[in-house]
Amino acid sequence: GENVEQHPSTLSVQEGDSAVIKCTYSDSASNYFPWYKQELGKGPQLIIDIRSNVGEKKDQRIAVTLNKTAKHFSLHITETQPEDSAVYFCAAGAYNNNDMRFGAGTRLTVKP
Amino acid sequence: EPEVTQTPSHQVTQMGQEVILRCVPISNHLYFYWYRQILGQKVEFLVSFYNNEISEKSEIFDDQFSVERPDGSNFTLKIRSTKLEDSAMYFCASSVEGGSRTEAFFGQGTRLTVV
Repeated sequence: GENVEQHPSTLSVQEGDSAVIKCTYSDSASNYFPWYKQELGKGPQLIIDIRSNVGEKKDQRIAVTLNKTAKHFSLHITETQPEDSAVYFCAAGAYNNNDMRFGAGTRLTVKP
Repeated sequence: EPEVTQTPSHQVTQMGQEVILRCVPISNHLYFYWYRQILGQKVEFLVSFYNNEISEKSEIFDDQFSVERPDGSNFTLKIRSTKLEDSAMYFCASSVEGGSRTEAFFGQGTRLTVV
């Protein structure tokens, strides 16, 4: 089955700096890669996703890149703000498969 | 904005007892899921449910777990005889379509503590 690895486990940046979180996956059948933000006491909330026919996707300060050959995808947050502080999870899934696998999470702290 | 709601927010139970975790998915969604997150660990898929039956389940979802949609709005996860290692956050999610075709929306979770 699919195995998703996520690094780093913790990341601390200064406000205004960029943050990058990286994930690798093992199953070449995976074609859907969402990123979730989880704030304290809340469930995961989708912030951006990318499908395997796209190499990069951007939404304001958030971007995701996908390298299918290397089986890795990354989340980039620019101009970080204190409210970006949360745990971020990557995940991998397939079009015809309901079993979405999550990475272990990255705790991002943005220091003002 | 429509959301997935879960009750209770926190459940404490004695080892060996049965618990039922409840979820109300978004009303026009057809696919329902349960995930588990042990403290400090990754979110793990348990089961997906569509058309009144389980469509997929993980190796975690053994015979002590069951899911049900008892009426048109609720989706429940039952743990028959709880163990200490069942202590975790349990998240319900729902989506319009299955697989990766549409976004899955997560509830705020139920924290289960088995003592």
